[in-house]
Amino acid sequence: GAVVSQHPSWVICKSGTSVKIECRSLDFQATTMFWYRQFPKQSLMLMATSNEGSKATYEQGVEKDKFLINHASLTLSTLTVTSAHPEDSSFYICSASPDWLGTQYFGPGTRLLVL
Amino acid sequence: AQSVTQLDSHVSVSEGTPVLLRCNYSSSYSPSLFWYVQHPNKGLQLLLKYTSAATLVKGINGFEAEFKKSETSFHLTKPSAHMSDAAEYFCVVSDPGTASKLTFGTGTRLQVTL
Repeated sequence: GAVVSQHPSWVICKSGTSVKIECRSLDFQATTMFWYRQFPKQSLMLMATSNEGSKATYEQGVEKDKFLINHASLTLSTLTVTSAHPEDSSFYICSASPDWLGTQYFGPGTRLLVL
Repeated sequence: AQSVTQLDSHVSVSEGTPVLLRCNYSSSYSPSLFWYVQHPNKGLQLLLKYTSAATLVKGINGFEAEFKKSETSFHLTKPSAHMSDAAEYFCVVSDPGTASKLTFGTGTRLQVTL
């Protein structure tokens, strides 16, 4: 149980284009979903927290207009990297929690390369 | 504010020998503590978690960790390393007051040699 999927697993795009990454909780309803970013050989940094049906809460230093998060249902959250640039290249990982204080279950991650 | 320090960025052990990955935390509340493992190009898998119940926590794959409040530590151990244990391990702290926000340590890369 507690499986979280991400799609796509990797994506290459041209600079200036937008990329959408999906995060799905497959066997539970996720009240809260989280988006992280991980640079090579570094730890995970929380980008934003989203609750179903409400606006995401972004961490300090994360541009909300650059990283659009939508949590339209209890099983799906999307992260859209708008007008991507090479510095946005990273490993993006989502997690989902069945309740506000629950354990987070992580997706397998999406590797984004912006050329 | 919560924080976690992983004292070793890299640990190398021989297969069959014990594993010790060290973690110290700082928290204003009674924290929840986790260990996650990340294999190359994969997502994170929860090994174990401590949430103010028994101080010795048993996890998957033979791993366990002991919460020591007096030492503010939550070290991860395993009696006998296996080649498949080679991965990146993250110690993570969560304060109830921050609504399950996780703070990750910088990670410890475990290498297992023959």
